[in-house]
Amino acid sequence: EIVLTQSPATLSLSPGERATLSCRASQSISSYLAWYQQKPGQAPRLLIYDASNRATDIPARFSGSGSGTDFTLTISSLEPEDFVVYYCQQRGRWPLSFGGGTKVEIK
Amino acid sequence: EVQLVESGGGLVKPGGSLRLSCAASGFTFSNAWMSWVRQAPGKGLEWVGRMKSKSAGGTTDYAAPVKGRFTISRDDSTNTLSLQMSSLKTEDTAVYYCAMHGDYGDFPDSWGQGTLVTVSS
Repeated sequence: EIVLTQSPATLSLSPGERATLSCRASQSISSYLAWYQQKPGQAPRLLIYDASNRATDIPARFSGSGSGTDFTLTISSLEPEDFVVYYCQQRGRWPLSFGGGTKVEIK
Repeated sequence: EVQLVESGGGLVKPGGSLRLSCAASGFTFSNAWMSWVRQAPGKGLEWVGRMKSKSAGGTTDYAAPVKGRFTISRDDSTNTLSLQMSSLKTEDTAVYYCAMHGDYGDFPDSWGQGTLVTVSS
């Protein structure tokens, strides 16, 4: 099973700052990684697929990069609604798996 | 508009059974691969299982913690996905989401609102 490790667990930033979230896979998954955003009480929302492609209607401030085992989600300038939890997910090998999440909180 | 509406959650005793349903609309359900994903209270997301469309073989894959206890099925005539859960354990307590694999392969892009299953004596 591929284990995804997200860091940091919590990221404390201010609105307008740049956020950099990391996801590391226990073995290579090529570019088969996605990022989701989850707001309290809501289902996850797909942001990025195949490491660097924005899903439909996702704002340009969200970008993804990486391949192999190391991946990054960047939010270029944090908006108030971005202070929530983010998960990575791999589809390189069954079972599909998620990382443990990174909470972006207001500093 | 894609809509996924889960139902059937509730309180069940350890060792018991429960059946969840997901009513789908707004897309061609018979062509869609579907998944169940769960989230324990205050915790992260965990894959439960996935079912391919019948045209892709209709096969199912399950995560290790639920394999042999949970069964995913689909009724394309009623656009319904089901999750039959048996031999439930306290660690199965979670919100269960139904999710549709749309344009992004095994990255589901449409999710229901979830239904809470509580396993407790």
